[in-house]
Amino acid sequence: GAGVSQSPRYKVAKRGQDVALRCDPISGHVSLFWYQQALGQGPEFLTYFQNEAQLDKSGLPSDRFFAERPEGSVSTLKIQRTQQEDSAVYLCASSSAVGGGTGELFFGEGSRLTVL
Amino acid sequence: EDQVTQSPEALRLQEGESSSLNCSYTVSGLRGLFWYRQDPGKGPEFLFTLYSAGEEKEKERLKATLTKKESFLHITAPKPEDSATYLCAVQDGGFKTIFGAGTRLFVKA
Repeated sequence: GAGVSQSPRYKVAKRGQDVALRCDPISGHVSLFWYQQALGQGPEFLTYFQNEAQLDKSGLPSDRFFAERPEGSVSTLKIQRTQQEDSAVYLCASSSAVGGGTGELFFGEGSRLTVL
Repeated sequence: EDQVTQSPEALRLQEGESSSLNCSYTVSGLRGLFWYRQDPGKGPEFLFTLYSAGEEKEKERLKATLTKKESFLHITAPKPEDSATYLCAVQDGGFKTIFGAGTRLFVKA
């Protein structure tokens, strides 16, 4: 596709449910990032993939958060046993530069998660 | 600890009233400073990358400048369509791009 695609755009979960958020990056982009954006705040780094390798997961808030990119293309962010504090917009970004380099990041429109 | 602070939090301008947005940063080993624009309900959209102090870049009514500790986004004669949140971000020697909280710009016709 022409841009980064994320699904679902909106997800409402009951506390304790598991959710999975999908990111389809720009074709051929080596680097893929996940960010979390709370209302009125800037995006916060969660994790980074270079192809299928997860090279940095230091931003994942707890072991309930898990991300994968098994074939170096589509990525899934999974959140187990959701809590209210997980409510946020989850942004995916891709880049043609290794490590993001100093190249621009191309963001999707985000998945807005609301945990009741 | 790497940090990005943006000011003001919100800025209200009349159409045609020029102004500047500030981004202060502390980072070990700056690889690049970025400006992004974010519209409500959308992901950030890339505007500029600046690499070293003294560098300037322009795009339409926007001009970004960089010093060793700050960056400014100058908006000349803004129009209502320039209303958005402007995000500043820095990349250190690792993989992270660290974002500020943004400046919400409102331009009234």
